[in-house]
Amino acid sequence: DGGITQSPKYLFRKEGQNVTLSCEQNLNHDAMYWYRQDPGQGLRLIYYSQIVNDFQKGDIAEGYSVSREKKESFPLTVTSAQKNPTAFYLCASARGSGGVRPYEQYFGPGTRLTVT
Amino acid sequence: GQQLNQSPQSMFIQEGEDVSMNCTSSSIFNTWLWYKQDPGEGPVLLIALYKAGELTSNGRLTAQFGITRKDSFLNISASIPSDVGIYFCAGLSGDSNYQLIWGAGTKLIIKP
Repeated sequence: DGGITQSPKYLFRKEGQNVTLSCEQNLNHDAMYWYRQDPGQGLRLIYYSQIVNDFQKGDIAEGYSVSREKKESFPLTVTSAQKNPTAFYLCASARGSGGVRPYEQYFGPGTRLTVT
Repeated sequence: GQQLNQSPQSMFIQEGEDVSMNCTSSSIFNTWLWYKQDPGEGPVLLIALYKAGELTSNGRLTAQFGITRKDSFLNISASIPSDVGIYFCAGLSGDSNYQLIWGAGTKLIIKP
């Protein structure tokens, strides 16, 4: 079954701790994305990667970091510098500019992070 | 940055009613996507549009790429309880650097 997995579904951390959210895809997609969603709000882009070993900041990258060492994986670290880290985090992937229908993004189930 | 205006923000509907929602942009888009998000889940792609004037259906859902290329519409016919959720439009313009621009969502609620 091809798809995107995010784990865990729920994550709890103490303030001041860094936490890494997992995102894995087996769709052979080149592009991957991280979004943040706050209650009752739309999606805001944190980081995106169009190819392995390359990534770009989105609209709200401050306090977050990513890596893209493998095509299948795009982990997001929420650092202690992020002022309001409690949110629903969504990972997505797309075929990318070299593929058919390159920009259709497919989402994982999300991770709800609560920091107290 | 670029923004999409999605309306209405929320809708209360009776089961069986038809539903319409739309997205408008101040700039020309060359791709429109419509997604549905259920509570606590990731959005699911419903319909993708690539040509001005294109009309595409997915079951009871029909979406159109506006002729001006600055808007898109989603219609749901004969709504059922499982249509409840948040519908997002997303678009891609020539200068958005391959990033989708997202609307704020339309929340569909069934009247009791």
